[in-house]
Amino acid sequence: DVKVTQSSRYLVKRTGEKVFLECVQDMDHENMFWYRQDPGLGLRLIYFSYDVKMKEKGDIPEGYSVSREKKERFSLILESASTNQTSMYLCASSDRSRVIRAQHFGDGTRLSIL
Amino acid sequence: GQNIDQPTEMTATEGAIVQINCTYQTSGFNGLFWYQQHAGEAPTFLSYNVLDGLEEKGRFSSFLSRSKGYSYLLLKELQMKDSASYLCAVRGRDSNYQLIWGAGTKLIIKP
Repeated sequence: DVKVTQSSRYLVKRTGEKVFLECVQDMDHENMFWYRQDPGLGLRLIYFSYDVKMKEKGDIPEGYSVSREKKERFSLILESASTNQTSMYLCASSDRSRVIRAQHFGDGTRLSIL
Repeated sequence: GQNIDQPTEMTATEGAIVQINCTYQTSGFNGLFWYQQHAGEAPTFLSYNVLDGLEEKGRFSSFLSRSKGYSYLLLKELQMKDSASYLCAVRGRDSNYQLIWGAGTKLIIKP
């Protein structure tokens, strides 16, 4: 089974802090994604990466950056946290070589910015 | 613009059948996904349709009509554990990676 692990289930930070969210997958997937999930809205893509050191902006990249130095790890960085970044953050990975390329998700990090 | 619509919430009875609809308007089409998400948990992949017709997988089936921009997820013999949100997502023609997500349908199963 694919395992996508996010470093924290719950996180509380203060406005202005730099916040790091880590995600690791164990299936050698090329593609990795960061989403945020808010009530009443669909999953919104922040950034994705299709290879080591490669990144593409999603729909809502403002205020975020990412890092992918190793294939298995994809980090999301909130440069200067703000209260409107309070949300559930989900990491996902998918296998580029498969036809379906279903995304497999981690359990999420519920981030609160005070 | 690109849009996916699904009902916000549905209620059904244990043992019954429920159909969750999804309509989409996207720039191109390259597959439709259904995911299940229990409260506080990760979304898990249920089904994938890229051609018109019905795909059956145990108690769950998913149907696609590309000409109508329409899909549904059919759940039979409902169990209490089926209480969850069901997410519809579409991959557009021009993307190998990105999915466009609906807001999800919260399904409540009553005894």
